Amino acid sequence: DTAVSQTPKYLVTQMGNDKSIKCEQNLGHDTMYWYKQDSKKFLKIMFSYNNKELIINETVPNRFSPKSPDKAHLNLHINSLELGDSAVYFCASSQGVWQPQHFGDGTRLSIL
Amino acid sequence: QKEVEQDPGPLSVPEGAIVSLNCTYSNSAFQYFMWYRQYSRKGPELLMYTYSSGNKEDGRFTAQVDKSSKYISLFIRDSQPSDSATYLCAMSKITGGGNKLTFGTGTQLKVEL
Repeated sequence: DTAVSQTPKYLVTQMGNDKSIKCEQNLGHDTMYWYKQDSKKFLKIMFSYNNKELIINETVPNRFSPKSPDKAHLNLHINSLELGDSAVYFCASSQGVWQPQHFGDGTRLSIL
Repeated sequence: QKEVEQDPGPLSVPEGAIVSLNCTYSNSAFQYFMWYRQYSRKGPELLMYTYSSGNKEDGRFTAQVDKSSKYISLFIRDSQPSDSATYLCAMSKITGGGNKLTFGTGTQLKVEL
């Protein structure tokens, strides 16, 4: 009965590959987010969707493409992975844009 | 200068102590303030959420916001070893572009027996 769940939890892959991370929330929220936490533990927002509409698109390489098939799901596809993409990617959700955000446990991406 | 400053610690206290965690910020447009707790290899867990200046209490936790000084605090009473984690402050401002949380770098707390 996890509220915000991400798959996979760990992802180890070669530079240049393409990979996807999936997120699902069962809280009934209408807004979802992707954050990146770097090696220094600093969390920074990447994208946000509200009712399947992209509302936040931070300065992120266009190799990163989010997609929200419905309000409960948000995926992140990354093309041509680079060493600098190694990080923990967190999904979050909220009910409405201005309500508190609830986070999943992250996907740990390591690029070899 | 970062928009949100937070002492990274580590902060080590004995069990039962009162812990004070703080953040300062530079942008007076921030209006929503949050504290998250993050255990190792887990996601941030929301502890406190407040909009206005003043105090908000929830069990052993008290959040304090002083907008005039651009300073927020989290107090933990009767600290327990299970409180050992990284504590992140976060804040956001009303914009036309949605709710972008700006996080501090986190303070690592260890509560020792």
